[in-house]
Amino acid sequence: AQSVTQLDSQVPVFEEAPVELRCNYSSSVSVYLFWYVQYPNQGLQLLLKYLSGSTLVKGINGFEAEFNKSQTSFHLRKPSVHISDTAEYFCAVRQKTSYDKVIFGPGTSLSVIP
Amino acid sequence: GAGVSQSPSNKVTEKGKDVELRCDPISGHTALYWYRQSLGQGLEFLIYFQGNSAPDKSGLPSDRFSAERTGGSVSTLTIQRTQQEDSAVYLCASRVRSGDSYNEQFFGPGTRLTVL
Repeated sequence: AQSVTQLDSQVPVFEEAPVELRCNYSSSVSVYLFWYVQYPNQGLQLLLKYLSGSTLVKGINGFEAEFNKSQTSFHLRKPSVHISDTAEYFCAVRQKTSYDKVIFGPGTSLSVIP
Repeated sequence: GAGVSQSPSNKVTEKGKDVELRCDPISGHTALYWYRQSLGQGLEFLIYFQGNSAPDKSGLPSDRFSAERTGGSVSTLTIQRTQQEDSAVYLCASRVRSGDSYNEQFFGPGTRLTVL
């Protein structure tokens, strides 16, 4: 079975400071990895995804994530956050099989402080 | 519309009543998912439909929950005899499924269910 852990439930950070949101996963087979963002009172939208190739993935709004197979991690980073980045962030995994179920982590609430 | 739509956006019901939540996926998307997001919790997988295959119901929390997808398009999630712990935001997502490549899920805005 696969699972996703997001160790930080809440992350407060000052505006223009860097941020890292942590994600670790467990799976017996290779996986695809994703980060989704949910702005207040909105649905989820895809930030970025890792399918194969380069382990450093760049997404929208200046976010990037690095896949580390040995540490089974896929941490999300941004060098300088804005107030508008305040949202809930979800890490998700899907096994590289024909099975399409995507497992989401519990989420990390990012609060950007002016 | 161009995106996934869900109705109603908000639903308040009394304990013990049945509710139906509707999802209209993006046209042409063969895969459809239902998730539940409880306050302060992540997304809990409920059920998955793919084309004409039998749905994956492994995430449904009890037999009070059921879902169907008619004509490979619109889906309805039904909760019978609602309980207060059913209060949550129910999210629907759809995606194109083609070959082995991954196509992202597109999420609807959700239905906020409150059981009094």
